[in-house]
Amino acid sequence: QKEVEQDPGPLSVPEGAIVSLNCTYSNSAFQYFMWYRQYSRKGPELLMYTYSSGNKEDGRFTAQVDKSSKYISLFIRDSQPSDSATYLCATPRSGYSTLTFGKGTMLLVSP
Amino acid sequence: DTGVSQDPRHKITKRGQNVTFRCDPISEHNRLYWYRQTLGQGPEFLTYFQNEAQLEKSRLLSDRFSAERPKGSFSTLEIQRTEQGDSAMYLCASSLERGQISEKLFFGSGTQLSVL
Repeated sequence: QKEVEQDPGPLSVPEGAIVSLNCTYSNSAFQYFMWYRQYSRKGPELLMYTYSSGNKEDGRFTAQVDKSSKYISLFIRDSQPSDSATYLCATPRSGYSTLTFGKGTMLLVSP
Repeated sequence: DTGVSQDPRHKITKRGQNVTFRCDPISEHNRLYWYRQTLGQGPEFLTYFQNEAQLEKSRLLSDRFSAERPKGSFSTLEIQRTEQGDSAMYLCASSLERGQISEKLFFGSGTQLSVL
């Protein structure tokens, strides 16, 4: 089982929609969770960072962690065409000091 | 621009040739990472350095791959005798870490390698 699983999409929504992106993870010991955004032909950029359970909000973005179900989510409110990108969830690799990434979900927001 | 810089952006080579990529991290960052990303996949860890010491290498890093960070600043990744399966985006990232867990990585734009 992969450490982080993510539906690759693509997910197409109209401008202004609320978007929900999700990942599941396998190791209950994970405590740090990150969301990276990657535009086409660019490197990933850190979008949100959460520790343990609960919600974290930053502008139109909310990251949510449910440790009981090993489920992490990213919500985007009032989605914009500029949000069109691939969203990657990530967590530290079991027993290592670096990150493991999901496959990424491609989001397309149409005007 | 004080971000992570990678050179070249694109590299086309013939099977069997050697290629070398360079990464210049954010100047105050002590950790430097190499990841590989293929179409439709997330980045896969290859190796990382803390200062000049190479601390971890993935099983993905065959003996044809070698990475260096000689003075704890820039790094190079060399692939010898390239194969078509080496075609991918090679991403470099850096971070400033004082503890064990690597959390906030800053990525460059990558080097896209195409092996013909």
